[in-house]
Amino acid sequence: AQSVTQPDIHITVSEGASLELRCNYSYGATPYLFWYVQSPGQGLQLLLKYFSGDTLVQGIKGFEAEFKRSQSSFNLRKPSVHWSDAAEYFCAVGVGGNKLVFGAGTILRVKS
Amino acid sequence: SAVISQKPSRDICQRGTSLTIQCQVDSQVTMMFWYRQQPGQSLTLIATANQGSEATYESGFVIDKFPISRPNLTFSTLTVSNMSPEDSSIYLCSGGDGIGYTFGSGTRLTVV
Repeated sequence: AQSVTQPDIHITVSEGASLELRCNYSYGATPYLFWYVQSPGQGLQLLLKYFSGDTLVQGIKGFEAEFKRSQSSFNLRKPSVHWSDAAEYFCAVGVGGNKLVFGAGTILRVKS
Repeated sequence: SAVISQKPSRDICQRGTSLTIQCQVDSQVTMMFWYRQQPGQSLTLIATANQGSEATYESGFVIDKFPISRPNLTFSTLTVSNMSPEDSSIYLCSGGDGIGYTFGSGTRLTVV
């Protein structure tokens, strides 16, 4: 069955430091992969998505993610974190019928 | 990308009652979905809202509990019926025309 694993429930980084959020997926076919961000009390905002082509994907707010098929991973990165990046981040894989399967989420805390 | 409006944004309901959540998209979209996010959890797909026909429910969700309507390509409703405290969650609508969709800001439901 399709699944998404986000190994880190919480991550704390200092403002200005780099960030990497991990995501591993299990899916039999070529995956469509996504990262969403959810601020407290808000809905989900799409950060970036991978369908095919270049395995390094650029998104909004300075985020990028790299698809590594050999590792079944799609890790999210940002070179310098801002306090406003504190939120919960969800990785998702697109499955049949255009549905999404989500990971459990990673809560990012930013310390000043 | 489509813009999705959901209402109500939050509600507190008595057990045994029903609540209907509305989802309005600012453009016609092929696919619409309803998700549930239980407290501290990730998103789980409830059903795919099909225009002009019965919704397609995921395992563990039934039409009697979560009736869904989709009368046209821009609008859908989800009803949470005969509510119990276990139904306290955020309910999110999602829609779009390709893989990776826009989400509404969610309806935060508390059942007392």
